[in-house]
Amino acid sequence: SQKIEQNSEALNIQEGKTATLTCNYTNYSPAYLQWYRQDPGRGPVFLLLIRENEKEKRKERLKVTFDTTLKQSLFHITASQPADSATYLCALPVHGGSQGNLIFGKGTKLSVKP
Amino acid sequence: EAGVVQSPRYKIIEKKQPVAFWCNPISGHNTLYWYLQNLGQGPELLIRYENEEAVDDSQLPKDRFSAERLKGVDSTLKIQPAELGDSAVYLCASSLTPQLPLHFGNGTRLTVT
Repeated sequence: SQKIEQNSEALNIQEGKTATLTCNYTNYSPAYLQWYRQDPGRGPVFLLLIRENEKEKRKERLKVTFDTTLKQSLFHITASQPADSATYLCALPVHGGSQGNLIFGKGTKLSVKP
Repeated sequence: EAGVVQSPRYKIIEKKQPVAFWCNPISGHNTLYWYLQNLGQGPELLIRYENEEAVDDSQLPKDRFSAERLKGVDSTLKIQPAELGDSAVYLCASSLTPQLPLHFGNGTRLTVT
């Protein structure tokens, strides 16, 4: 079955820098991949969805890339702010394509220092 | 629009006791999910409903867990009896269709002592 690896449990950066988070999957190519933000004591909040035929997607200071050859998605936050501190989760369909339920990575905890 | 509402927010029970969690999804969302999240881990699916039908409950420990979604709206997740290892956050989510992004509630944090 599909496995997701978010290879940094924690990432600490200085305010104003670009944060880059990585999500790797191991097996089936998903039709899409999603990124969520989770604050302590809260449920995850959807941020961006990128489809397999899209190389890049942007939303304000957020940018997501999707490389099906590398089986990897990168999530970038430019001009980071302390308010961006949270855990970021990637998610994709468990059976590849668009089939099956979403499975989530463990998340990367981002801390942006002033 | 109102978000996904879960109650209670916190629950502390002794092992072997029963416990129930309630979820009210976003109006019009046919797909409802229950996820379990342990500390430092991502959410793990327990069960998915399409309207009132449980279409995927393969990860639900059926010896002690049960769920229902009467009338295809609200849902209840029950554990009986609870074990120490059930301590976790139980998240409910909903979406218009299974392929669309999920909207999560803020979860119920269960502590079993």
